[in-house]
Amino acid sequence: GQNIDQPTEMTATEGAIVQINCTYQTSGFNGLFWYQQHAGEAPTFLSYNVLDGLEEKGRFSSFLSRSKGYSYLLLKELQMKDSASYLCAVGYNTNAGKSTFGDGTTLTVKP
Amino acid sequence: ETGVTQTPRHLVMGMTNKKSLKCEQHLGHNAMYWYKQSAKKPLELMFVYSLEERVENNSVPSRFSPECPNSSHLFLHLHTLQPEDSALYLCASSQGSGVDTGELFFGEGSRLTVL
Repeated sequence: GQNIDQPTEMTATEGAIVQINCTYQTSGFNGLFWYQQHAGEAPTFLSYNVLDGLEEKGRFSSFLSRSKGYSYLLLKELQMKDSASYLCAVGYNTNAGKSTFGDGTTLTVKP
Repeated sequence: ETGVTQTPRHLVMGMTNKKSLKCEQHLGHNAMYWYKQSAKKPLELMFVYSLEERVENNSVPSRFSPECPNSSHLFLHLHTLQPEDSALYLCASSQGSGVDTGELFFGEGSRLTVL
């Protein structure tokens, strides 16, 4: 299989920094996405990594290590509206690049 | 108009009913997808259409029947469903050609309840 592992739930405080990890099988790797999904809404694209390193986009950053099969999403200066599910999705060559999703991490931001 | 629209947003049906979910994308994309999202489970890819041809069918029961009449529209026909089919059905599109990273653009979803 193409196991994608991420924590089920995380809690953090408003204004803090939180890191959501994702590990995946490296064979046939073709790119990694992070999506955000608020309750009752559609997932929306946050980031895409295909090369090693850190991609920064405002308060959100995403990191990838291809050799380790590891990515993380870093959220800074947390706001209440960041409470959502964060989905790690991996594209594999064996699946024509189509994304396989992890279970998602539900982040709760508390005041 | 928004990028990907789905109708209906909510649907309740009995096990003997026939209904259809509709998806329309206004992004000029060439690939469209149906995903199923159940509670406590990851998004499951059901069907993929590229340039109006079905390119993937992930062992989905025949009671789900997709239709893609053109690159902008996608349907999911439902027939004699089971209660365990109750879920959020998400339509998505991607560029599907050229430099396509596979980034998905999702609709708001159709929440299906089977009684």
